Amino acid sequence: EPEVTQTPSHQVTQMGQEVILRCVPISNHLYFYWYRQILGQKVEFLVSFYNNEISEKSEIFDDQFSVERPDGSNFTLKIRSTKLEDSAMYFCASSYSEGGPQYFGPGTRLLVL
Amino acid sequence: GQQLNQSPQSMFIQEGEDVSMNCTSSSIFNTWLWYKQEPGEGPVLLIALYKAGELTSNGRLTAQFGITRKDSFLNISASIPSDVGIYFCAGPKVDSNYQLIWGAGTKLIIKP
Repeated sequence: EPEVTQTPSHQVTQMGQEVILRCVPISNHLYFYWYRQILGQKVEFLVSFYNNEISEKSEIFDDQFSVERPDGSNFTLKIRSTKLEDSAMYFCASSYSEGGPQYFGPGTRLLVL
Repeated sequence: GQQLNQSPQSMFIQEGEDVSMNCTSSSIFNTWLWYKQEPGEGPVLLIALYKAGELTSNGRLTAQFGITRKDSFLNISASIPSDVGIYFCAGPKVDSNYQLIWGAGTKLIIKP
């Protein structure tokens, strides 16, 4: 069964450093998303991406964040200058259609020291 | 803003018991999604509901989209140890086809 994959599974970084989280969405899906989940809290929407541009973003997704689809299979989330409060699980998701069910990857656990 | 309230927060049950959990909101949702998350893993989609009154099953799992469109429930029959995890309801934010709003989850623990 096709699935969303994410790398790395864990990332430890120093405050102020840049990180890039990578995702390979399900191959025939057209809509891509990033969510985050701070330990013990709800899953929170960050951004959605369709047709090579951001379709929607939340208040969390400030200028420190960016997304890119550098090729036909990868979808990346970059955090330019990490802060302690960016420590969380970051989940990539994809869906075939607008409003369709979103399928999640296993997540990247980011720890900012 | 829109919120999803899940109850109970956690459940301790015996293997073989049936489980029922629900999700409510003060606002209307047009889609209800139920996900399961195991420790260190991403949420896995269990059931998607698109119409008020819809009752959908996936193996031992059954979920219903409430008639008022403000609630949904998930039942698990004859629980087994691998049902352990956190169950989340989610639905699209009003005026958005992309952004999912999530409940806080129901943690299911099964006593051997």
